[in-house]
Amino acid sequence: DADVTQTPRNRITKTGKRIMLECSQTKGHDRMYWYRQDPGLGLQLIYYSFDVKDINKGEISDGYSVSRQAQAKFSLSLESAIPNQTALYFCATSAGDKGVQETQYFGPGTRLLVL
Amino acid sequence: RKEVEQDPGPFNVPEGATVAFNCTYSNSASQSFFWYRQDCRKEPKLLMSVYSSGNEDGRFTAQLNRASQYISLLIRDSKLSDSATYLCVVNSGAGSYQLTFGKGTKLSVIP
Repeated sequence: DADVTQTPRNRITKTGKRIMLECSQTKGHDRMYWYRQDPGLGLQLIYYSFDVKDINKGEISDGYSVSRQAQAKFSLSLESAIPNQTALYFCATSAGDKGVQETQYFGPGTRLLVL
Repeated sequence: RKEVEQDPGPFNVPEGATVAFNCTYSNSASQSFFWYRQDCRKEPKLLMSVYSSGNEDGRFTAQLNRASQYISLLIRDSKLSDSATYLCVVNSGAGSYQLTFGKGTKLSVIP
């Protein structure tokens, strides 16, 4: 079984709709992250959380919100989806026990299309 | 502002070839460096961390030059299975746990 899972894997929605992308992990990691990837661009950090009570904005948080419901769950919401939020979204986790030289483990991604 | 820049791709090489990827980063305070591999339409996965002394893992060798803010990845004896996009990744500053990703360089190993 995958250590980091994302649901849904694919989603088509319409402009203005609110949608939620969910991420769950069984790695026991404290740190969780949401990224988006656009064709030809590097991954961009949307939000990150170092524990259940710690939520931080990344470089492109406008138009997004997150919720860390438990150590194992971190969800990303698009309050009112717009077409330029069409992208591949990745959740990632890290253990938080190796300083800055620590590996992030990624989920399989959610492909989102906003019409 | 391009914080992490990589060689433009794609690189098309025959099996058995040696190929090198280069990467430069703009934040001199960055402390951690990585190469991730991303297969088409899949998630990135850590290939190797990069240490100041350079490090090797089988056919893969990574080098770091802090003075020049330059990272490299050398792949020897390329295999078809090495075909992927290689992402250069650095942390976003001293003590930062945020990562900055390059756009990636696509490698195609041809039979």
